[in-house]
Amino acid sequence: AQSVSQHNHHVILSEAASLELGCNYSYGGTVNLFWYVQYPGQHLQLLLKYFSGDPLVKGIKGFEAEFIKSKFSFNLRKPSVQWSDTAEYFCAVYTGGFKTIFGAGTRLFVKA
Amino acid sequence: GAGVSQSPSNKVTEKGKDVELRCDPISGHTALYWYRQSLGQGLEFLIYFQGNSAPDKSGLPSDRFSAERTGGSVSTLTIQRTQQEDSAVYLCASSSGLAGGSQETQYFGPGTRLLVL
Repeated sequence: AQSVSQHNHHVILSEAASLELGCNYSYGGTVNLFWYVQYPGQHLQLLLKYFSGDPLVKGIKGFEAEFIKSKFSFNLRKPSVQWSDTAEYFCAVYTGGFKTIFGAGTRLFVKA
Repeated sequence: GAGVSQSPSNKVTEKGKDVELRCDPISGHTALYWYRQSLGQGLEFLIYFQGNSAPDKSGLPSDRFSAERTGGSVSTLTIQRTQQEDSAVYLCASSSGLAGGSQETQYFGPGTRLLVL
């Protein structure tokens, strides 16, 4: 069955630290990839997405993600986190049809 | 409307009762999705609507769950004879539907927190 794995359920960082959140999926065909973010008290919203082209995708607030097809990965990165990045981050994969598969989420807490 | 809205925000019910959750998508969005988020879990896909039809109901966990959409707009998710394991946050999302399927960016509502006692 198709699945999305986010390896870190909880991450705690200090401000200015670098961030990398892992995301791996299990599907051998063409995929569209997403990272969504849910800030405390807010709705889920799109952070960035990859459909085709340059595998390095830049999103809002300085986030970027790299699609590595050979590794079935779409890791999220940010060079220097801020306290306001405290949120839950979800990786999602669309493989066709009508369903987007979401990972279990990673809760990021940034210490001021 | 400006965004996806859901009602009620919170619902507490007794085991065995029926509940109805409502989703009002962004105006003009033809695609609508329901998800369930249980504590510590990711988003579990429940059902997808394109217009008023639901081509994919594969995520509905049991026949106690049903959903409908009328007028290509508002959708209701009904859970009959609720069980404690139904306690979760139920999220609704919509997308334009222009590209077809769920490869489009989805816009999420605030969710309905359901607690079954």
